[in-house]
Amino acid sequence: SQQGEEDPQALSIQEGENATMNCSYKTSINNLQWYRQNSGRGLVHLILIRSNEREKHSGRLRVTLDTSKKSSSLLITASRAADTASYFCATDARGSSNTGKLIFGQGTTLQVKP
Amino acid sequence: EAGVAQSPRYKIIEKRQSVAFWCNPISGHATLYWYQQILGQGPKLLIQFQNNGVVDDSQLPKDRFSAERLKGVDSTLKIQPAKLEDSAVYLCASSTGLAGVGLGSEQYFGPGTRLTVT
Repeated sequence: SQQGEEDPQALSIQEGENATMNCSYKTSINNLQWYRQNSGRGLVHLILIRSNEREKHSGRLRVTLDTSKKSSSLLITASRAADTASYFCATDARGSSNTGKLIFGQGTTLQVKP
Repeated sequence: EAGVAQSPRYKIIEKRQSVAFWCNPISGHATLYWYQQILGQGPKLLIQFQNNGVVDDSQLPKDRFSAERLKGVDSTLKIQPAKLEDSAVYLCASSTGLAGVGLGSEQYFGPGTRLTVT
């Protein structure tokens, strides 16, 4: 079953604009991670945010986490054509086993037009 | 450092045939994962190893899928016999994270094997 659901499913913007993607999940988590996948390639880790953190930055990326609403957002500022990819949120659900298992959402497909 | 290696990159087989995928994780990573990613969906965990033991195989279709990680390094995933619905990309990932700790860590993914079952 899918834990995370991304919104929107697809997003098309012009180069230089900001892109915001949202993720909602259902159960308590240890952490939430964002990954990028270019067409036909494997996934690349972007950011990990722990349940006791509210915001995290990495270069042009900003991730927020609201555990009371069970939601997260990924903001990409000053987008570039090279940011064109699918973006997935993945949750590490809190539980008795704490295996570190990630459950991925369906992803947001971002197209950045030059 | 070298990334996660997978082979083959592409495989086309007929239904009811068998197929095997190989993964070599990043050196020193205790945990290895196999995911199935169907077109248009996010990856779904099939099996998770910590060293050479299975941590989670709850979503592995055990009647046709098997996996092993001998010596706690390389891993193989096998499908026998394959069905049309097994057409997907099979991703291998590894991490330094350990089960039971509850901290979690990022996963490093290989390029995947694209399987087409006809």
